[in-house]
Amino acid sequence: GESVGLHLPTLSVQEGDNSIINCAYSNSASDYFIWYKQESGKGPQFIIDIRSNMDKRQGQRVTVLLNKTVKHLSLQIAATQPGDSAVYFCADLPANTGNQFYFGTGTSLTVIP
Amino acid sequence: DVKVTQSSRYLVKRTGEKVFLECVQDMDHENMFWYRQDPGLGLRLIYFSYDVKMKEKGDIPEGYSVSREKKERFSLILESASTNQTSMYLCASSLGRDTYEQYFGPGTRLTVT
Repeated sequence: GESVGLHLPTLSVQEGDNSIINCAYSNSASDYFIWYKQESGKGPQFIIDIRSNMDKRQGQRVTVLLNKTVKHLSLQIAATQPGDSAVYFCADLPANTGNQFYFGTGTSLTVIP
Repeated sequence: DVKVTQSSRYLVKRTGEKVFLECVQDMDHENMFWYRQDPGLGLRLIYFSYDVKMKEKGDIPEGYSVSREKKERFSLILESASTNQTSMYLCASSLGRDTYEQYFGPGTRLTVT
């Protein structure tokens, strides 16, 4: 079946540094990907998405990179701030599954002031 | 802003009880979803619904049922709660019509004793 994994369960970065969170997926038919942020006690919040016909997409302080060759996805956060501390997880949507996403287990990002 | 609300933030039930978790979205979204979130396992899809009175099984439907009598409301039912159903339950909705981004509620932390 489909599996989505994150490379590191925890990540600590200094405030102001850039953060990179990685994710691997197994289904080569996946054609849409999302990154979510989940703060303690809250539901996941959409950060950024990317379709399989792109390899990079930028938002405000965030960039998602997609490497379909190795089935790898990364989220880059520029100038990381204390408010960025949260669990981040990726999700992929294989083609022909309707709306059934597969979610990774999450990386807990801690920003050190 | 899309708002997805869940009826309870915390719930404690006894083994064998019937449990109802309610979810309401206010943006006329077509699709609604129920997930459970457990440490180290990520979000797993229990059931989803594309339309009123429509439902589809996700990856882990056993022990659960759902009801969608109105477009804005999606209920998750635990017919006879068991301790292994202790978890965080998250409801989500998406617009549908080739728009996949899912908006999540704050979650219900259910403990079955």
